[in-house]
Amino acid sequence: QVQLQESGPGLVKPSQTLSLTCTVSGDSIVSGSYFWSWIRQSAGKGLEWIGRIHSSGSTHYNPSVKSRVAISRDTSKNEFSLRLDSLTPADTAVYYCARGLPSERFDPWGQGTLVTVSS
Amino acid sequence: EIVLTQSPGTVSLSPGERATLSCRASQTIDRNYLAWYQQKLGQAPRLLIYGASSRATAIPDRFSGSGSGTDFTLTISRLEPEDFALYYCQQYGDSPITFGQGTRLEIK
Repeated sequence: QVQLQESGPGLVKPSQTLSLTCTVSGDSIVSGSYFWSWIRQSAGKGLEWIGRIHSSGSTHYNPSVKSRVAISRDTSKNEFSLRLDSLTPADTAVYYCARGLPSERFDPWGQGTLVTVSS
Repeated sequence: EIVLTQSPGTVSLSPGERATLSCRASQTIDRNYLAWYQQKLGQAPRLLIYGASSRATAIPDRFSGSGSGTDFTLTISRLEPEDFALYYCQQYGDSPITFGQGTRLEIK
């Protein structure tokens, strides 16, 4: 059974950088043809796909955040990570990691972690 | 980007009734790459339907999806108490991936 678990700070100050990690169990992030993705959910914007790292290591981002986002991975720990720079209160959301199956439908999702951007 | 508009925003029905949820895209979705998710309070979304009409693993057959091009429908044939939740559509035929704003299915 594949499981994903997000971890990271719950509170970040404006202008700072957010770093979140997704730990994957039950599957390898380098095998298959999967897309390991970050998605966020806020009251204002609903569900928003942020970006993904493919099992090959290639990345792809939503243009809405492309200038300040990076997704990387640590294959030795079977983890992938999100870095989001220059935070504003608009980045306050529940952040999910998810496995994107071939053609990028998402299954499963992590439980999500609430990130609040506030001074 | 492709904008997905879900309707209605909220639907009130009783257990045993049939639910029909709509998702309309601003342009044709390539290869009918349209998925539906269910989200309950405090939980992550769960994949129900992909490719517009294929049920995901372990999803009951009372859930069905249909449609093509720009108009898609999720139907729940006989509502069970556990079906009352939020439902989202998502397109993955074009980048960036986008989601609809959701339909709330509430108990009447």
